[in-house]
Amino acid sequence: GENVEQHPSTLSVQEGDSAVIKCTYSDSASNYFPWYKQELGKRPQLIIDIRSNVGEKKDQRIAVTLNKTAKHFSLHITETQPEDSAVYFCAASIRDDKIIFGKGTRLHILP
Amino acid sequence: DAGVIQSPRHEVTEMGQEVTLRCKPISGHDYLFWYRQTMMRGLELLIYFNNNVPIDDSGMPEDRFSAKMPNASFSTLKIQPSEPRDSAVYFCASTPSAGAEGYTFGSGTRLTVV
Repeated sequence: GENVEQHPSTLSVQEGDSAVIKCTYSDSASNYFPWYKQELGKRPQLIIDIRSNVGEKKDQRIAVTLNKTAKHFSLHITETQPEDSAVYFCAASIRDDKIIFGKGTRLHILP
Repeated sequence: DAGVIQSPRHEVTEMGQEVTLRCKPISGHDYLFWYRQTMMRGLELLIYFNNNVPIDDSGMPEDRFSAKMPNASFSTLKIQPSEPRDSAVYFCASTPSAGAEGYTFGSGTRLTVV
């Protein structure tokens, strides 16, 4: 069936270093790939998204890359800060009106 | 806009009782989604609606779960009878009609069945 795999499940990086989270998807028709950040006890919030007609998108310290051939996409956070600590979810569209989430990556920023 | 509004924020109930969770989507959003979040299974899509019509309920775990959307501004997710394994955070999300744009999630309902 349709699924999204996300790795790693937990990631610890030193403050100031970069963090990379990787996802793969199974449905070759997927064309929309959002990323969500969920802080403890809060709702998931959209932080960045990318469509299949571009290979990369950047917003300040956050960037996403997409390789449609390999069905891979990644989130890159540079110059990490304590407030980046959270659970991050990747997702991929199934048809045009629903998205499937990965299992999440718990990111710890170490002082 | 107040965003997606869910109620209650917390619900504790005894096994076997009926539970009703409520959601008000953002005005003008034609799609409404119900998700369940647990540590083991992550965010699972239970059911979603387009213009108040259920489109895909394949994620509903079993017949004890039902969802309705009687109008564009209100949806319910009901569990009857509830079981301890239903304990989770239930999120409602909505999105505009222009395809799979980013969802806006509600604050969630933390359900505990004892």
